[in-house]
Amino acid sequence: EIVMTQSPATLSVSPGERATLSCRASQSVNSMLAWYQHKPGQAPRLLIYEASTRATGVPARFSGSGSGTDFTLTISSLQSEDFAVYYCQQYHNWPPETFGQGTKVEIK
Amino acid sequence: EVQLVESGGAAVQPGGSLRLSCATSGFTFDDYTMHWVRQAPGKGLEWVSLITWDGGSTFYADSVRGRFTISRDNSKNSLSLQMHSLRTEDTALYYCTKERLRIIDYWGQGTLVTVSS
Repeated sequence: EIVMTQSPATLSVSPGERATLSCRASQSVNSMLAWYQHKPGQAPRLLIYEASTRATGVPARFSGSGSGTDFTLTISSLQSEDFAVYYCQQYHNWPPETFGQGTKVEIK
Repeated sequence: EVQLVESGGAAVQPGGSLRLSCATSGFTFDDYTMHWVRQAPGKGLEWVSLITWDGGSTFYADSVRGRFTISRDNSKNSLSLQMHSLRTEDTALYYCTKERLRIIDYWGQGTLVTVSS
């Protein structure tokens, strides 16, 4: 099973600032990595797939990068609606499809 | 618009059984693999099970294999998860999800299962 490790656990950021979230896989997943945004009481939302492709309707301030074992989600200028928990997930080796433990982006 | 609506969550005692359902709309259900993913209180997301478009293949997480059964009714655009021998560690919000080309692209709002004596 591929283990996904996200850092940091919590990121405190002021509105308008850049947020950089990291995700590391225990072995290569090529570019088969997705990022999800999860707000309390809502369904998780797909943001990025294939490591860097934005899903339909996702604002351009969200970008993904990386391949192999190291990945980054960048939110270029945080808006109030972006404060949430973000999960990475690999779909290279499955089952199981494994998720990171999440990074909570909170208001500084 | 894709909609996934879970139901069936409840409070149950350890060792009990429960059946979750997911009603879907807004897409051609029998074209897609479907998954269940869960989130225990205060924890991250955990993949539980998947079923291919025709029901021909199913897969399970080690933690639920032998106790949970995933199924689908393509005539009713619905997905189910039959859960037996429930444990306290099965307490979670269970999400019905749709997959496209190995990517989980849509999630429901979830249904809560609480296993407690």
